[in-house]
Amino acid sequence: GENVEQHPSTLSVQEGDSAVIKCTYSDSASNYFPWYKQELGKRPQLIIDIRSNVGEKKDQRIAVTLNKTAKHFSLHITETQPEDSAVYFCAASKTPRNTGKLIFGQGTTLQVKP
Amino acid sequence: NAGVTQTPKFQVLKTGQSMTLQCAQDMNHNSMYWYRQDPGMGLRLIYYSASEGTTDKGEVPNGYNVSRLNKREFSLRLESAAPSQTSVYFCASPSGTSGGVSEQYFGPGTRLTVT
Repeated sequence: GENVEQHPSTLSVQEGDSAVIKCTYSDSASNYFPWYKQELGKRPQLIIDIRSNVGEKKDQRIAVTLNKTAKHFSLHITETQPEDSAVYFCAASKTPRNTGKLIFGQGTTLQVKP
Repeated sequence: NAGVTQTPKFQVLKTGQSMTLQCAQDMNHNSMYWYRQDPGMGLRLIYYSASEGTTDKGEVPNGYNVSRLNKREFSLRLESAAPSQTSVYFCASPSGTSGGVSEQYFGPGTRLTVT
């Protein structure tokens, strides 16, 4: 079945620096790649997503890139702030609409030091 | 509009006890999911229901059963709890759009400890 690998497991950056988290997926039929942010003790929340017909998507300080040939996608956070500190999860899905089955990566704990 | 709600928020069980985790969504979504979250392992899918009346196994279904009671409610049952089932459990429901799968909305989670 589908497998998603996420690296690194922990990442520490200085406030203002950039952070990059990478994921690889195994099933070439995957077509939807969301990123979730989970603050301590809270539920995961979607921060950005990308579909397989797009190579890059940006939303203010966050961006996601997708390389279908290599089967990997990355989350880029620029000008990091202390409130960006959280656990980030990538995921992949290949299901048709209204099903939504996601396979998640193992998570990356991002610490932004002021 | 509460989104996805779960009960209880916390539960402690003894090995061998049973319990049911409840989940409800008021967004009129077709699909509902149960995940467990363990440190360093991300979110793993236990069971899902693509539509009312259907349920399917996910990655880690052993030791669990589910019931899709109606379009709103999807419950997860532990028949005989084991310490390995100590985890945080999240219910989730994705919105489906004409372009395909979209955002998955999570409930607040249930923190379960089995002693």
